[in-house]
Amino acid sequence: ILNVEQSPQSLHVQEGDSTNFTCSFPSSNFYALHWYRWETAKSPEALFVMTLNGDEKKKGRISATLNTKEGYSYLYIKGSQPEDSATYLCAFRYGNNRLAFGKGNQVVVIP
Amino acid sequence: DADVTQTPRNRITKTGKRIMLECSQTKGHDRMYWYRQDPGLGLRLIYYSFDVKDINKGEISDGYSVSRQAQAKFSLSLESAIPNQTALYFCATSEGGLEQFFGPGTRLTVL
Repeated sequence: ILNVEQSPQSLHVQEGDSTNFTCSFPSSNFYALHWYRWETAKSPEALFVMTLNGDEKKKGRISATLNTKEGYSYLYIKGSQPEDSATYLCAFRYGNNRLAFGKGNQVVVIP
Repeated sequence: DADVTQTPRNRITKTGKRIMLECSQTKGHDRMYWYRQDPGLGLRLIYYSFDVKDINKGEISDGYSVSRQAQAKFSLSLESAIPNQTALYFCATSEGGLEQFFGPGTRLTVL
């Protein structure tokens, strides 16, 4: 079973502050790294699919970086807003296009 | 209308009962997946299918079976439900190895 670690597990952020969290994954047999955003009572929604070492992706105030050689990805939220409150899931794509998910980073933005 | 639908959305059943969870998609994707989510754990893959004639076990397939009745339909069965199968179940679809699209989830409780 592949080990995908996300830290911190949960964090509270003041509205307007920026924050970031980490996803660690195996550095061998890398195919892709997925980030999903999961709001309570909704379905996980894809944020980014990252495939190349050094990749940087951005969607609005959320961005992500990828280091496949050392096996980590950072997700950044700039100027957090209450609507950013969600659990952010990372998933490591491995053989046969399967995904191994981390436990998630639960973010609560305090107004 | 949702692209990936799951029925039922909530189900309470008793130990030993046979249960079927259904998933339908209108995205025209070839690949479909079943995951379960338990508190404190990441999403775990139960079964996946790359086309109608292809069924593969995931990391936690024991106690489950699936049927890919058509490209758009993928059902998950619990032949004899047990309490530790109480969980939130998600169906997902993808086109090739690209991002996965999740259904709304089925909350199953086995008493």
